[in-house]
Amino acid sequence: AQKVTQAQTEISVVEKEDVTLDCVYETRDTTYYLFWYKQPPSGELVFLIRRNSFDEQNEISGRYSWNFQKSTSSFNFTITASQVVDSAVYFCALKVHAGNMLTFGGGTRLMVKP
Amino acid sequence: EAQVTQNPRYLITVTGKKLTVTCSQNMNHEYMSWYRQDPGLGLRQIYYSMNVEVTDKGDVPEGYKVSRKEKRNFPLILESPSPNQTSLYFCASRPWTGTYEQYFGPGTRLTVT
Repeated sequence: AQKVTQAQTEISVVEKEDVTLDCVYETRDTTYYLFWYKQPPSGELVFLIRRNSFDEQNEISGRYSWNFQKSTSSFNFTITASQVVDSAVYFCALKVHAGNMLTFGGGTRLMVKP
Repeated sequence: EAQVTQNPRYLITVTGKKLTVTCSQNMNHEYMSWYRQDPGLGLRQIYYSMNVEVTDKGDVPEGYKVSRKEKRNFPLILESPSPNQTSLYFCASRPWTGTYEQYFGPGTRLTVT
């Protein structure tokens, strides 16, 4: 069975601070996919990124960056120079290639204060 | 516009009164699924469907039914709702192969009193 753990339930930062959201996953499969989704206060789920298990290259998209490390089974998400609009709940999720389900972590609520 | 729609968006009902939450997608996706979101638990998969007439249980299927008679629709049925089914429900769809990115509906907030 798969498991995703987001140990930080809530994080509060002041605008312009950098913040890292942690994600640790468990799976015995060697081929899998990791995702990050954002849920703003309006409630919809917004896809941010997908990473394949065979691609450990880190990715940067504007102020967002992701650090995938298979050795520690982690897929952490960093927001640089946070903004109030980054306030949301962020979910990490895992799908194994041979399976049909998407397993989510419990989510991290990020509050960015002005 | 490519989208997943759910209806109703908000529903308050009483214990035992059967209800259906509809889900429809216009992207010709084979795969559709239902999730419930509860504080601290993230999203948990209720049921999924790999194509028409093919459905399977997720992690929390008890108390729910689904059907997939048409490719675009995947309704969630609560035959006898109970208060522990009060939750935020999301429908999602994706192509059977490819990036595995799921497209989520806007959510349905259900309260069972």
